[in-house]
Amino acid sequence: EPEVTQTPSHQVTQMGQEVILRCVPISNHLYFYWYRQILGQKVEFLVSFYNNEISEKSEIFDDQFSVERPDGSNFTLKIRSTKLEDSAMYFCASSGQGYEKLFFGSGTQLSVL
Amino acid sequence: GQQLNQSPQSMFIQEGEDVSMNCTSSSIFNTWLWYKQDPGEGPVLLIALYKAGELTSNGRLTAQFGITRKDSFLNISASIPSDVGIYFCAGQGGGSSNTGKLIFGQGTTLQVKP
Repeated sequence: EPEVTQTPSHQVTQMGQEVILRCVPISNHLYFYWYRQILGQKVEFLVSFYNNEISEKSEIFDDQFSVERPDGSNFTLKIRSTKLEDSAMYFCASSGQGYEKLFFGSGTQLSVL
Repeated sequence: GQQLNQSPQSMFIQEGEDVSMNCTSSSIFNTWLWYKQDPGEGPVLLIALYKAGELTSNGRLTAQFGITRKDSFLNISASIPSDVGIYFCAGQGGGSSNTGKLIFGQGTTLQVKP
């Protein structure tokens, strides 16, 4: 069964460093998303991406965040200068259409020290 | 912004019992989805609901999309130990959003005693 894959599964970084989280969405999907989940809390929307541009972003997704689809298969989330409060599990998701089911990857646990 | 209230926050039940959890919202959604999350994993889709009043089953799971489009419930019948996990409701659409963005509830933690 097709699935969303994310790498790395764990990332430890120093405050102020740049990180790039990588995702390979399901191959025939058109909509791509990033969500995050702080430990013990609910899953929060960060950004949606369609047709090579951001469709919608939350207030969490400030100028330190960016997304890119550098080729036909990868979808990345970059955090330019990480802060302690960026520590969370980051989930990539994809869907075939805007109103269809979202399928999530297993996540990247980001720890900012 | 749109918010979901999910209840109960946690449940501890005996194997074989039925379980019910629900989500309510102050605003309407076009789609309701129910996910299960195991520790250290991503949410796994259980059921998707697309029409007000829709009742959908997936094995021992049954979910309904409320008539007002502001609520949904999930029932699990004859619970088994592998049902343990966190269950999230998520609403999609409604208002002017057409991007597929999901709003998640706070989750219901289910524990099943064998």
